[in-house]
Amino acid sequence: SYELTQPPSVSVSPGQTASITCSGDKLGDKYVSWYQQKPGQSPVSLIYQDRKRPSGIPERFSGSNSGNTATLTISGTQAMDEADYYCQAWDSNTVVFGGGTKLTVL
Amino acid sequence: EVQLVESGGGLVQPGGSLRLSCAASGFTFSIYWMSWVRQAPGKGLEGVANIKYDGSESYYVESVKGRFTISRDNAKNSLDLQMNSLRAEDTAVYYCARLFGGSGTKNFDIWGQGTMVTVSS
Repeated sequence: SYELTQPPSVSVSPGQTASITCSGDKLGDKYVSWYQQKPGQSPVSLIYQDRKRPSGIPERFSGSNSGNTATLTISGTQAMDEADYYCQAWDSNTVVFGGGTKLTVL
Repeated sequence: EVQLVESGGGLVQPGGSLRLSCAASGFTFSIYWMSWVRQAPGKGLEGVANIKYDGSESYYVESVKGRFTISRDNAKNSLDLQMNSLRAEDTAVYYCARLFGGSGTKNFDIWGQGTMVTVSS
């Protein structure tokens, strides 16, 4: 079965740029979505089709996908961005999520 | 307002059954694929089942095949998940989510608040 691998944790200082990676075999041939989940809340769609942002998502969130790695980039990271982040892709008709990355802003 | 509201969660013994429901409002339910996604306590997200907008196709994660059934009633704007032969490892928050996009590009753009299912004796 297809697998997506994310680092368990990433730390960033306020105002700096955070990068969260998502790796999978030939992932660049698939479309990747990213979700943010804060404690006790439902996930929120951040990025879809590799780099598109839903309405209402700040421009500081951006995405890219090439080769075997997709990347979520958060520019000018704010304290409110501290959360879990999940990448997601499709393997035929099966949805695949990465294991999630806890972003700490310190 | 676009909204998904789950119900039906609770405590059930191993081997038991439970039926989850999701009430959709604020959008044309009948044109969207829908899905159930779960999250075990302290763990990540896992896609459980998806169903086509007209109910003609459905897909399941391997671990629930033969035990869970996803269904929808477009006349009532509702999505269900019938869960049989429940196991301890099915314990999770179950989210109802809307799928947006074409083949291979679908994104979970709307999520419900989730309903907790606990399988324990």
